[in-house]
Amino acid sequence: QKEVEQNSGPLSVPEGAIASLNCTYSDRVSQSFFWYRQYSGKSPELIMSIYSNGDKEDGRFTAQLNKASQYVSLLIRDSQPSDSATYLCAVKGPPERTSGSARQLTFGSGTQLTVLP
Amino acid sequence: ETGVTQTPRHLVMGMTNKKSLKCEQHLGHNAMYWYKQSAKKPLELMFVYSLEERVENNSVPSRFSPECPNSSHLFLHLHTLQPEDSALYLCASSHRGQGGYTFGSGTRLTVV
Repeated sequence: QKEVEQNSGPLSVPEGAIASLNCTYSDRVSQSFFWYRQYSGKSPELIMSIYSNGDKEDGRFTAQLNKASQYVSLLIRDSQPSDSATYLCAVKGPPERTSGSARQLTFGSGTQLTVLP
Repeated sequence: ETGVTQTPRHLVMGMTNKKSLKCEQHLGHNAMYWYKQSAKKPLELMFVYSLEERVENNSVPSRFSPECPNSSHLFLHLHTLQPEDSALYLCASSHRGQGGYTFGSGTRLTVV
């Protein structure tokens, strides 16, 4: 059973549009949520983190978290061709699955986004 | 150097070879991780080191052996690998229990 689910896409949006990326997770006690961007052939890069219900905005990016629905999303406003990448949702596992105080990230398989010029 | 550095960037090895991947972090973090990324699959956590304590994914074959001599260096020793082990191997680091992870640039491994 997958713990973090994402629509694999590909998702295509025109330049200037809003791109909406969605993620659901199975562990209700998960507490920390992250969005990573991964360009082809490159390593993942952290772009957003969110820890409490509601919206968090950073420039053109908005992360939304709804713990009751176990749902986290990423909105990209005014999408640019340079935003074309795979976006990975990551959830920090519940404390009882860790040793010591190390807490492990569980990743979704990613959504491939293409922004068309 | 800054961030998380991985070497080599690319590695081709035969099934009978022994090789090692190296990772070094310059961020003052105290936890380090090895992840495997295969095509169309989620990142798979292989090993975690935090304060010299090791946590491992029980599904990782014994042909992968990690070593963490200190909080800044992490190795992944490889021996008698299989072609299905070909993947991108990513090292990451973090502050123990806090925040997201910072990834290195990865080692693209091909087993022939």
